[in-house]
Amino acid sequence: AQSVSQHNHHVILSEAASLELGCNYSYGGTVNLFWYVQYPGQHLQLLLKYFSGDPLVKGIKGFEAEFIKSKFSFNLRKPSVQWSDTAEYFCAVVGSAGNKLTFGGGTRVLVKP
Amino acid sequence: EAQVTQNPRYLITVTGKKLTVTCSQNMNHEYMSWYRQDPGLGLRQIYYSMNVEVTDKGDVPEGYKVSRKEKRNFPLILESPSPNQTSLYFCASRTFGGSGSSYNEQFFGPGTRLTVL
Repeated sequence: AQSVSQHNHHVILSEAASLELGCNYSYGGTVNLFWYVQYPGQHLQLLLKYFSGDPLVKGIKGFEAEFIKSKFSFNLRKPSVQWSDTAEYFCAVVGSAGNKLTFGGGTRVLVKP
Repeated sequence: EAQVTQNPRYLITVTGKKLTVTCSQNMNHEYMSWYRQDPGLGLRQIYYSMNVEVTDKGDVPEGYKVSRKEKRNFPLILESPSPNQTSLYFCASRTFGGSGSSYNEQFFGPGTRLTVL
C-alpha cells in the first residue's frame, strides 16, 4: 500500500525566510505527486504536480518542488515566504493505476510578519 | 464556474441522529470521493465512486454510507453518528481515465465541519 510522510508537523518562520517542507512516499511503481495548500478556513487547492519529465516542478505563488526518485522524495520549496503563505500544506501521491490519492499528515506553516 | 459544492458547511448534531451531507460537482467527473481531515492525520479517504452505481470503501469507511445515483451527486450518510465522527469532511471529484496533465487532479469542495455531541 502506498503511504506518504511529512517530516514536520509545524513550521514557524519570518517573512522573507526560505521554506522547505519534506515529503517522502512509499510505493513500488510509477507515481504522480502533488502538493496541496489549505489556507485558513478554505478548501484544498493544488499548488503543483509532477507527472513525468523535468523533476523540478514549478507551481503557483512561487513554489517549486523537486522529485528525487532515488530518495522517494518530493520536497516543496519557496525561496522567500510571505505572511500570506500561512497555511497547511499537504503532500499527496497516486500510483500509476490512478485509483487512490494518499495524503501525508500535513505541515502547518506560520509566517510571522 | 467549475466547482464542487457541499451542504451544509457546518453542522452540530447529537449521537444517533441520522444525517446526510450532500456533494455535487458540475464538471462531469466520473470519480468522486469523500475524505475526513483530522489534525496530524491529513486527509483519509472514506469512500469513493468511479461512476454511477459504482462505489467502494476507502481507508476509513466504518460508520458511513454513500450512494451514487447520478453522476453529479455523491451524498455521504451517517446513519448513527458518534462523537468520533466529529471532523472536517471534504468531497472531491476528478476525471477518471484519459490522458494529459489534468489526469488525477482532484478538485475539492469547501468542506463540512461536523460536530457530534
